[in-house]
Formats: sequence, C-alpha cells, structure tokens
Amino acid sequence: KNEVEQSPQNLTAQEGEFITINCSYSVGISALHWLQQHPGGGIVSLFMLSSGKKKHGRLIATINIQEKHSSLHITASHPRDSAVYICAVGTDKLIFGTGTRLQVFP
Amino acid sequence: GAVVSQHPSWVICKSGTSVKIECRSLDFQATTMFWYRQFPKQSLMLMATSNEGSKATYEQGVEKDKFLINHASLTLSTLTVTSAHPEDSSFYICSARDPGGGVSYEQYFGPGTRLTVT
Repeated sequence: KNEVEQSPQNLTAQEGEFITINCSYSVGISALHWLQQHPGGGIVSLFMLSSGKKKHGRLIATINIQEKHSSLHITASHPRDSAVYICAVGTDKLIFGTGTRLQVFP
Repeated sequence: GAVVSQHPSWVICKSGTSVKIECRSLDFQATTMFWYRQFPKQSLMLMATSNEGSKATYEQGVEKDKFLINHASLTLSTLTVTSAHPEDSSFYICSARDPGGGVSYEQYFGPGTRLTVT
C-alpha cells in the first residue's frame, strides 16, 4: 500500500461541474501540498496545508489531520483546469501521490 | 508567492556528454533545495537534498557521481548529469524552501527541465 493514495486516478468532467479529488496518507506529516502539473510538465504549487481549509479563486483545499485525509475541490470547472493534480505530504522529504488526471470538456 | 526558475526548460544531448541544469530562487534565499526526477506517467521521486555550502544528501539508489549537485549560493543550485545515457532521459524538477517565509516546510517548485539523451 502506498503511503499517499489519491482518488480517482482519472476524472473527466463537463465544463461547470464541481470536482473533488481525494488524498489519503498513512504517515505522520507536518504539511500537505497540492500541486498542479500541466501537459508539458511544469508544476505549480496550489496549496500547502497543515490544518483546516484554504481557498484560492475556484480552488478549495481541506485537510483532516485526524483522519489523514485531504480534498481538493474545483468549483465551476473549466477546460483550462485540465491537468494532473498531485498530493504530496511531508516536511522536507515529500512523498508524492501518483496523481489524478483531470480532463474538463467544454 | 515565491518564484523558482529552472534553466534550461528542455535540453537534448548526445550519449556520453554532460548536462547542467540550474535551479534559482528568484525572490528569496533558499538554504535548502530539492531535486526530483519524474519518469513518464509516474510521480515525482526525490533524488537529493541540496544544502547551501555543504554536500548534497542523496536518496538511496541515486548515484552521486553521476548526478552532481552544487549549491554554491543561497539562490542557485545546479544538477549536472555526467556521461549521460538514454536511460537518464527524464523530467527533472527542483524545489526550494524559503526559511524566511514563516513556515519552515513550505516548498516552491520550479517548472522542470526535460532532458532527452540520444
């Protein structure tokens, strides 16, 4: 069993739909990162969480430390949100999930 | 937010040559930088931790003589792939930690460098 598991692995949606990507981890952590990787590979750091909830634009990230679970929500999804979303946990040495590939169709 | 750049963004080289990839923190000083490697359709894997002014710490299975890391200043770390082989073709990503950012474990990622060895 991987230390960081994401679900679903693949996700397709119609433009405008509300999207949820989940991340569960089995190790103790100080922080959890949500990253976005576009085709071509560039990585953008979306959020770093140690507790509670953060919001940036249409993106919302939550974390439940007791349950070792985090969710990334995208409201009013758009085709430009199509990317791979990666959850990573740890302090210095991050452990990465395998990513969720999201495709949003117009 | 803090910005990390990488150069080049992509590079093609012949087998046996060496390639240097630069990772720069543009608006903060990074005492620690991290180098990751990503194979196609796989997740990132930490290769090494680069500390300014000291030797890098390599993860198990990473050849330190093949992947030379130099962190000579607080804003620059370099990864040199020596005697590159086609199996070294990969996407290399760096990240940098901003110790002055108030959260000691926040990392900022570079855009990555795609290396193709022919």
